[in-house]
Amino acid sequence: DAGVIQSPRHEVTEMGQEVTLRCKPISGHNSLFWYRQTMMRGLELLIYFNNNVPIDDSGMPEDRFSAKMPNASFSTLKIQPSEPRDSAVYFCASSPQGAYTEAFFGQGTRLTVV
Amino acid sequence: GDSVTQMEGPVTLSEEAFLTINCTYTATGYPSLFWYVQYPGEGLQLLLKATKADDKGSNKGFEATYRKETTSFHLEKGSVQVSDSAVYFCALSDQGGSEKLVFGKGTKLTVNP
Repeated sequence: DAGVIQSPRHEVTEMGQEVTLRCKPISGHNSLFWYRQTMMRGLELLIYFNNNVPIDDSGMPEDRFSAKMPNASFSTLKIQPSEPRDSAVYFCASSPQGAYTEAFFGQGTRLTVV
Repeated sequence: GDSVTQMEGPVTLSEEAFLTINCTYTATGYPSLFWYVQYPGEGLQLLLKATKADDKGSNKGFEATYRKETTSFHLEKGSVQVSDSAVYFCALSDQGGSEKLVFGKGTKLTVNP
């Protein structure tokens, strides 16, 4: 398996523009997570899905952020409009169902909003 | 809610030195505990885990023991190498709840030759 695949790897956009980050989880995994990593705040869980259903989105910073998982093999995180403070590395991770499971991370998308 | 506290970094050691990175947790249930490692420019990857009290996780010379009485899961390695330079994250997963991972803030380790 190729692992969790994220695209793009790097994104530079202007303030106010819409940004869409994409994630393909590992086939057969039931849970999918979106994390944001910054120097100041560390690793923050934004939202996670189980069987394509959003379970906990309490970490989504505000209404500008939205996430979808239309099927088991694809998820998007959208920021509209983007702001400079959204600059961070965004990670997607997936895990199989059940206790004691580990999460498998993608390589991340480095977002820079100028 | 559940939380993880790990020692602030950065940590700088010479090759072959002994490493300890402290981690304590707060959880309402009986969590699984993990150490993840992040090398520069990459995502996190699992280093080791323990799923119940007194379990010891080990991998690549690293070890950590699940101590329920002290709510701790300290990471140790007897002799570090330059290639161990990375950021280390302690995490827990509340098995009785949502299965989501809660991470500590990470500790950056630099090993000098």
